[in-house]
Amino acid sequence: AQSVTQLDSQVPVFEEAPVELRCNYSSSVSVYLFWYVQYPNQGLQLLLKYLSGSTLVKGINGFEAEFNKSQTSFHLRKPSVHISDTAEYFCAVTSYSSASKIIFGSGTRLSIRP
Amino acid sequence: DSGVTQTPKHLITATGQRVTLRCSPRSGDLSVYWYQQSLDQGLQFLIQYYNGEERAKGNILERFSAQQFPDLHSELNLSSLELGDSALYFCASSFSGEYTDTQYFGPGTRLTVL
Repeated sequence: AQSVTQLDSQVPVFEEAPVELRCNYSSSVSVYLFWYVQYPNQGLQLLLKYLSGSTLVKGINGFEAEFNKSQTSFHLRKPSVHISDTAEYFCAVTSYSSASKIIFGSGTRLSIRP
Repeated sequence: DSGVTQTPKHLITATGQRVTLRCSPRSGDLSVYWYQQSLDQGLQFLIQYYNGEERAKGNILERFSAQQFPDLHSELNLSSLELGDSALYFCASSFSGEYTDTQYFGPGTRLTVL
């Protein structure tokens, strides 16, 4: 069985500061990892995904994530955040063996202070 | 705007009742997914359809059922409603329905059971 843990439920940062949102997963098979963002009163939107290849994945809105197999992590980073990045961020995992079922983490609420 | 539409936006009903939530996928997408988002359970995958056929099943209760019609729109039926069914229900769509697909989420239907 697979699982995803988002270590921080809330992350407050100042505008233009860097941010890292942490995600750890557990799985006995090869995984595929995703980060989604949910802006207030909206559905989820894909930020980036890791399927294979380079472990550093670049996404939309200046976000990037690094897949670390030895540490079973897929942390999301942005070097400089904006007020508009205020949202909830979800890490998710799936695998070939899960037949397209996707498991989401509990979410991290990013709040940006001016 | 993801291109996925969901109706209604809000639904208020009583315990024991039955409701139907509707989803229209993005033009060209063949697969539809249903999710439930609640404060205590987080975001959970319920069920997936691909071109009219059920493809994957998640944590969907027996009181819930779904179908995808020939025009590819989907409906999620919730019956014998309980207070705990109050949640945000999202529909997502993707082209091929594969586990590596990007899913495009609708704005959700907020269900309140009184």
